[in-house]
Amino acid sequence: NAGVMQNPRHLVRRRGQEARLRCSPMKGHSHVYWYRQLPEEGLKFMVYLQKENIIDESGMPKERFSAEFPKEGPSILRIQQVVRGDSAAYFCASSPGSGGAYNEQFFGPGTRLTVL
Amino acid sequence: SQELEQSPQSLIVQEGKNLTINCTSSKTLYGLYWYKQKYGEGLIFLMMLQKGGEEKSHEKITAKLDEKKQQSSLHITASQPSHAGIYLCGAAGGTSYGKLTFGQGTILTVHP
Repeated sequence: NAGVMQNPRHLVRRRGQEARLRCSPMKGHSHVYWYRQLPEEGLKFMVYLQKENIIDESGMPKERFSAEFPKEGPSILRIQQVVRGDSAAYFCASSPGSGGAYNEQFFGPGTRLTVL
Repeated sequence: SQELEQSPQSLIVQEGKNLTINCTSSKTLYGLYWYKQKYGEGLIFLMMLQKGGEEKSHEKITAKLDEKKQQSSLHITASQPSHAGIYLCGAAGGTSYGKLTFGQGTILTVHP
């Protein structure tokens, strides 16, 4: 049973370009979470999604960032017009549900975004 | 908002020694998670605790959630170099149950 898959593992973008990060949850998991780990900072929640629904986006920056989890295919975290401050490791996690043991979140290996 | 404080921030031990990492919450914990992260890699799920007084073990790692559900401890018995890494505690809750708030991490070094 494959774990959470993220791609690309490393992404380099120039300022002003767009970054698309992909996450395929574990088989049987319908809940996806995105977290960001900035250099020298802790891991911060960004957004929580179920298929075709955003459940909690309280950690998402107000501009340039968006996330989706379509009915078919992986979850996408999209960053428009990237700036140097967006350079970070972005982690995706998935769980089979929410509440109690169903909320056990398993993390992917992360995508390391570097903005030049 | 909930805040988690981990102590110590870093820990250096000799192989074979026991050690404890603490995680203290500013609010009641409804789900407490322990993860391990190797530098430059993703998080490995260790354990999740929910009930006050709950204790779980996996190999040489034991985690407890105190009765008042505001503190958790992670204990490693007879540490090995493979235990080295960053240990993170995370708490569920806030704007949604799926949102995890993490502590700043404890860096563990184990000298052979």
